[in-house]
Amino acid sequence: ETGVTQTPRHLVMGMTNKKSLKCEQHLGHNAMYWYKQSAKKPLELMFVYNFKEQTENNSVPSRFSPECPNSSHLFLHLHTLQPEDSALYLCASSQEWKGPNEKLFFGSGTQLSVL
Amino acid sequence: QKEVEQNSGPLSVPEGAIASLNCTYSDRGSQSFFWYRQYSGKSPELIMSIYSNGDKEDGRFTAQLNKASQYVSLLIRDSQPSDSATYLCAVGDTGRRALTFGSGTRLQVQP
Repeated sequence: ETGVTQTPRHLVMGMTNKKSLKCEQHLGHNAMYWYKQSAKKPLELMFVYNFKEQTENNSVPSRFSPECPNSSHLFLHLHTLQPEDSALYLCASSQEWKGPNEKLFFGSGTQLSVL
Repeated sequence: QKEVEQNSGPLSVPEGAIASLNCTYSDRGSQSFFWYRQYSGKSPELIMSIYSNGDKEDGRFTAQLNKASQYVSLLIRDSQPSDSATYLCAVGDTGRRALTFGSGTRLQVQP
């Protein structure tokens, strides 16, 4: 276990549904991240929160809405998704969002399928 | 567009051999380099980091960095079937701050 827990592990949703992904870290870290991992593609950074403040939004469509109520919890709210949004969504944390030397600890991910 | 390139593989090596995984990057300003291991259906796990030219050894793993040639490699000595996984190269620079990941190389160690 990495200390980063994601739920659910698998999610199937229709394009009109609304669902949320949850991430919790028990490492005392201050930065949390959402990444998207599609088959045969590099990990794509979506959002970064540092001390609960959003510091990065990597041109993510508004149908993805992040929420970070505190440094230990991170949510990704999903609505009106498209089939091409089907992917593995990974949450990660690090000590702090200071720059490129930060070592990331990943959760197990949520495998999302959009029908 | 800053890119990190890896051969997708699979790279197949016999048990006990040395596995050599390579990664090239396009941004000469890159300063930090990481190797993550990802087992099928699992999350990426950091196994090595390197910041300066040369070799860095940790157990059976050696990371090699050559900034002039813009490549970083990972050597796994005495490969074991349990090393079979996808290895992700990640590169960071101060300008962008976020890591740029490669697509990964799938390694298969044959018993």
